[in-house]
Amino acid sequence: ILNVEQSPQSLHVQEGDSTNFTCSFPSSNFYALHWYRWETAKSPEALFVMTLNGDEKKKGRISATLNTKEGYSYLYIKGSQPEDSATYLCAPNTGNQFYFGTGTSLTVIP
Amino acid sequence: DVKVTQSSRYLVKRTGEKVFLECVQDMDHENMFWYRQDPGLGLRLIYFSYDVKMKEKGDIPEGYSVSREKKERFSLILESASTNQTSMYLCASSLPQGVPYGYTFGSGTRLTVV
Repeated sequence: ILNVEQSPQSLHVQEGDSTNFTCSFPSSNFYALHWYRWETAKSPEALFVMTLNGDEKKKGRISATLNTKEGYSYLYIKGSQPEDSATYLCAPNTGNQFYFGTGTSLTVIP
Repeated sequence: DVKVTQSSRYLVKRTGEKVFLECVQDMDHENMFWYRQDPGLGLRLIYFSYDVKMKEKGDIPEGYSVSREKKERFSLILESASTNQTSMYLCASSLPQGVPYGYTFGSGTRLTVV
């Protein structure tokens, strides 16, 4: 079992605020790091997959960075909107199997 | 549109019943997975399969079994349902190792055992 930690566990922000979350994982045997967004009553949706140290990915107002040497990834949301409310999961994988963190639950207050 | 389909969105079963949760994918993925999600515990892997008729135990296999007779279908079986198996169950599929495209998830089955 890979120990994956996400912080904070939950977050409430005002519409328009920018926010960020952290995913920490063991840096050995690393293959790729995935971020998912999971909205209530829907399937988790893939946001990013990153493999190289220093990788940065961006999708609209959401971006992510990866540091494989120290074992962490940051997810940033710029100008949060109510539709960003969801649980954000990170999952490093060392092969076929992914190891999920407990997620960060984001609520954006209009 | 590619998808992973779970047969039931909500299910209520009685203690001791044998329960089947079905998952079908149409992407010709080799790998399939069953997870359960509980508050504060995140997604925990129950079983996974790399190929037809192959299965591997995940982190919490006790009380569960699986069946993969065809590539597109992966079934999770609760041999004798208990109240501590009340949970959200998620199925996922993926391409093999070396192709880091991630998982495609089903929409989940919320199982309540009474």
